[in-house]
Amino acid sequence: ETGVTQSPTHLIKTRGQQVTLRCSSQSGHNTVSWYQQALGQGPQFIFQYYREEENGRGNFPPRFSGLQFPNYSSELNVNALELDDSALYLCASSLQGSEETQYFGPGTRLLVL
Amino acid sequence: GESVGLHLPTLSVQEGDNSIINCAYSNSASDYFIWYKQESGKGPQFIIDIRSNMDKRQGQRVTVLLNKTVKHLSLQIAATQPGDSAVYFCAEKDSGGGADGLTFGKGTHLIIQP
Repeated sequence: ETGVTQSPTHLIKTRGQQVTLRCSSQSGHNTVSWYQQALGQGPQFIFQYYREEENGRGNFPPRFSGLQFPNYSSELNVNALELDDSALYLCASSLQGSEETQYFGPGTRLLVL
Repeated sequence: GESVGLHLPTLSVQEGDNSIINCAYSNSASDYFIWYKQESGKGPQFIIDIRSNMDKRQGQRVTVLLNKTVKHLSLQIAATQPGDSAVYFCAEKDSGGGADGLTFGKGTHLIIQP
């Protein structure tokens, strides 16, 4: 186990709704990255947070947003949900300076109907 | 953009044999590579990593080989066990590219035959 936790484990929403996913990083890790993994695909980078600010972003629209808190935990918010947003959302924590070594949580499975 | 890919979607091996999972990458600026293992219903689990200043790195029962000339990465698993059944992803990063995250391939599903 990596020590990275995510909640909830599963979630069902309808198109147009908003969702908030949560992540607690591994102890001592100050950087959090979020990924979207569609069924049968590899994870795709959404964004990364360090020192409570977004410091990197992948090819995702602005309706995907996030927060990082002083205790390094993080939230991923998705507005105006679309059917294609159905996926496994993964959080990974790392230590800035060795940020490449990312340790993943179990993910939140989101289904949009 | 450039991406990391894998040669085979499924690899079936006999229990006890060695497994070799291959990966091709296209971003010549990538200098850090990682192999992850993902079991059903779980998040990716770190296996081993390698930087571009190395061509081989060994862990417990696993070896990663990097050939920068042909942009090829492989993961070798010795004496494959039933617990090795999973999807294996290679991921890459350009450390000089800022906080752009890891780029993953689509994965290879390793199946262990008894």
